[in-house]
Amino acid sequence: ETGVTQTPRHLVMGMTNKKSLKCEQHLGHNAMYWYKQSAKKPLELMFVYSLEERVENNSVPSRFSPECPNSSHLFLHLHTLQPEDSALYLCASSQDIVSGELFFGEGSRLTVL
Amino acid sequence: KQEVTQIPAALSVPEGENLVLNCSFTDSAIYNLQWFRQDPGKGLTSLLLIQSSQREQTSGRLNASLDKSSGRSTLYIAASQPGDSATYLCAVRVPQGGSEKLVFGKGTKLTVNP
Repeated sequence: ETGVTQTPRHLVMGMTNKKSLKCEQHLGHNAMYWYKQSAKKPLELMFVYSLEERVENNSVPSRFSPECPNSSHLFLHLHTLQPEDSALYLCASSQDIVSGELFFGEGSRLTVL
Repeated sequence: KQEVTQIPAALSVPEGENLVLNCSFTDSAIYNLQWFRQDPGKGLTSLLLIQSSQREQTSGRLNASLDKSSGRSTLYIAASQPGDSATYLCAVRVPQGGSEKLVFGKGTKLTVNP
């Protein structure tokens, strides 16, 4: 069982759909993150949660809505996305938000038609 | 604003060669630097983490160095193998407000030819 598990691995959705990405970590970490990776761009931090409380929201459009019901699970709810939102969405966790080593999941490849 | 640059963007070498990947950052006020490996379509695998007070870290055939004052890090790969082919990313952890965040480079795509 890998440390950080993301589902689904691939998702194709229309602009009017509502879908969710799920992330689960089995490392006992307190912090979880969503990153976006687009072609030829550096990874962009989207959201940070520490002990289920959101501590960072990097000016992400409201069509992306995170949810952290407990320290092991993180969701990214998607609603009325745009084609330019197509990217690899990566979840990560660390022991704490302070200076911790990050461990990433395999990512969810999202295509918006 | 912290910026991380990785040069070259792509590198192709024959199997067995020793190689160096470079990472530079503009602001020396970092907490640590982390090197990752990413295979196509996959997530990131942490390779080495160097705290700001450290000069280098080693793991197997990998050695990462950090010169914080000059804003540079190198990842040395000894006796490269085809299985080392991947994109290598470096990231620095920096303060942001009352928290911290990682700033990533765009990566170096390495191809090791048999």
